[in-house]
Amino acid sequence: GAVVSQHPSWVICKSGTSVKIECRSLDFQATTMFWYRQFPKQSLMLMATSNEGSKATYEQGVEKDKFLINHASLTLSTLTVTSAHPEDSSFYICSEGAFTDTQYFGPGTRLTVL
Amino acid sequence: SQQGEEDPQALSIQEGENATMNCSYKTSINNLQWYRQNSGRGLVHLILIRSNEREKHSGRLRVTLDTSKKSSSLLITASRAADTASYFCATVPPLGGSEKLVFGKGTKLTVNP
Repeated sequence: GAVVSQHPSWVICKSGTSVKIECRSLDFQATTMFWYRQFPKQSLMLMATSNEGSKATYEQGVEKDKFLINHASLTLSTLTVTSAHPEDSSFYICSEGAFTDTQYFGPGTRLTVL
Repeated sequence: SQQGEEDPQALSIQEGENATMNCSYKTSINNLQWYRQNSGRGLVHLILIRSNEREKHSGRLRVTLDTSKKSSSLLITASRAADTASYFCATVPPLGGSEKLVFGKGTKLTVNP
C-alpha cells in the first residue's frame, strides 16, 4: 500500500507565527490529497482537498486564507497555518487514495500554539 | 458534518474476549470503511464494505452492514492488548456527488492483558 509521511511530527509555535506542514506520498503519485484536523478525543474533520496543479477545495467553514494549501507536485502537498492562534492547536493529518478503495493516512502533525 | 456515530464511545475488555463496535449513519452511502488509530498516530485502514455487501471478513475482523437500518458493526475476535486503539467508521456518499470520507466520533477500545 501507499506510504504517506508528514513533517514535522510535532511543532510548537508562538501565537501570530505561521507554520508549514508537509505531506509526502512516498510511493504513489497523488493528484489529490486530503487534509484533516482532529481535536483531542474527537473525530477527524475534512478541511480541504488538495489538487495537484490547481486550487484546493475547502470545506464549509474552513478559512482558505488561514489554511493555505499548496500541491505543487504529485508527491507533495503542504498546509500552512498562517498567523496561528491557540485555537488552531490540533492534530493535522493528511491522506491520499481512492474513496472507493483505501485511504492512506500520514502519521499526523501535532501543532501547539502558545 | 459528521455522518457516523459509533457506539459505545468507550469499551474495555480482557484479552481473548470479543469486541463489538457499532456505527450508525444518516444518509445513503457508496461504501463504509473502518479505521484504527493508535494514540497520537495516523489512521490505518482496516476494511471497506460496499453498499451492496452485507458482511466481510479480514483475519480476526468481521464487519456487517445493514443499509436498511443504516448501521454497521465491527467485531474483533480473540482480542489482544495490541488491539487497544480508537476505531472509527467512515462513510463515502454515492458516487457523483461530493466524494469524501465522513468520520464518526470513534470508539476507544482498551484490551487489558
